[in-house]
Amino acid sequence: DIQLTQSPSFLSASVGDRVTITCRASQGISSYLAWYQQKPGKAPKLLIYAASTLQSGVPSRFSGSGSGTEFTLTISILQPEDFATYYCQQVNSYPYTFGQGTKLEI
Amino acid sequence: QVQLQESGPGLVKPSETLSLTCTVSGGPISSYYWSWIRQPPGKGLEWIGYMYYSGSTNYNPSLQSRVTISVDTSRNQFSLRLTSVTAADTAVYYCARGIAIGTARYFDYWGRGTLVTVSS
Repeated sequence: DIQLTQSPSFLSASVGDRVTITCRASQGISSYLAWYQQKPGKAPKLLIYAASTLQSGVPSRFSGSGSGTEFTLTISILQPEDFATYYCQQVNSYPYTFGQGTKLEI
Repeated sequence: QVQLQESGPGLVKPSETLSLTCTVSGGPISSYYWSWIRQPPGKGLEWIGYMYYSGSTNYNPSLQSRVTISVDTSRNQFSLRLTSVTAADTAVYYCARGIAIGTARYFDYWGRGTLVTVSS
């Protein structure tokens, strides 16, 4: 199975900050990576797919980049509603796997 | 707007079978990959598997011997069966719709999730 390691696991930031979360894959996955946002008690929400394509309706302050084994999710100007847990997921090969999550806290 | 809603027992006894149904509204069940994903309390996400509406399946090998996903196109529903459950199967179970982008499947709509506890 492909392992995804996110860093950091916890991130403290303030409204207006720029933050970056990294996801590293244990082997190359081309651009087959998605990012999800999950708030407490809610289902995950697809933010980005194919490493850098913004899902419809997602604010443009979210962006993704990378290919191969290293990927990043960047939030350019943090808003209060962005404090949540973020997961990366690889869809290059089965079984699909997720990173352990990054909790973004105020 | 597409909506997914999980339903089924919230409590299952050890060694018994967990059965959940996901009802899809606001969109067709055809041409998509219907998936189950779970999240143990306080932990991360685990992909269980999916079924394409026409019948092909792909399961997580860690669960493959115990899991069955089926689709009922006439009812716009799909289901999960997980046999011989143990406490390790206690989790919030999410149903999700998979869209094909090339050879990849991304999950763009999710249900709100249902907690299933395995306990006697």
